[in-house]
Amino acid sequence: NAGVTQTPKFQVLKTGQSMTLQCAQDMNHEYMSWYRQDPGMGLRLIHYSVGAGITDQGEVPNGYNVSRSTTEDFPLRLLSAAPSQTSVYFCASSYTDAKWETQYFGPGTRLLVL
Amino acid sequence: ELKVEQNPLFLSMQEGKNYTIYCNYSTTSDRLYWYRQDPGKSLESLFVLLSNGAVKQEGRLMASLDTKARLSTLHITAAVHDLSATYFCAVDPRLEARQLTFGSGTQLTVLP
Repeated sequence: NAGVTQTPKFQVLKTGQSMTLQCAQDMNHEYMSWYRQDPGMGLRLIHYSVGAGITDQGEVPNGYNVSRSTTEDFPLRLLSAAPSQTSVYFCASSYTDAKWETQYFGPGTRLLVL
Repeated sequence: ELKVEQNPLFLSMQEGKNYTIYCNYSTTSDRLYWYRQDPGKSLESLFVLLSNGAVKQEGRLMASLDTKARLSTLHITAAVHDLSATYFCAVDPRLEARQLTFGSGTQLTVLP
């Protein structure tokens, strides 16, 4: 199992550009989510999905879109990048019905918006 | 709004010493997680605590949960340099989906 994979690892954008951060998991997890991590802070939930075709907003959804067409993939789209979106982005996945299960995090994507 | 507070935020300790990291949260939850993050790396799951009074131990780390006090602790016994990392607690108050709210993290440095 590759676990949770994310691409790219690093990205530099100019203000106003758009891009998609890719996330995939091979553990057949129903639940997937996106977090951002800013210096000195914990992770904050952007969007999440409890299954294919179902997505919802987290704590900081503005400026981001998601879709979930398959169980495996959960891409995060930045519509018009802003410097405030400079951050490290983590994708995570887990089973939804296993109370004892933790979330498994991907390696992260470091994004710099100039 | 759920708030999760960790203290201390920074902890520098000598090898061989004991210390405790505290995690307070503001709403009812019977599910709490501890993660470790090394610099520039992803998060690694340490413990999942699921009920009041739960205690879990792995090596030099022991975590406990008091849901009535809304408090979890991560106790470090006889610290070694390899434990240097940032430790996060996270709370999941909802039963139907996994929406973690994280504390700000405790940056632990173990000095030789």
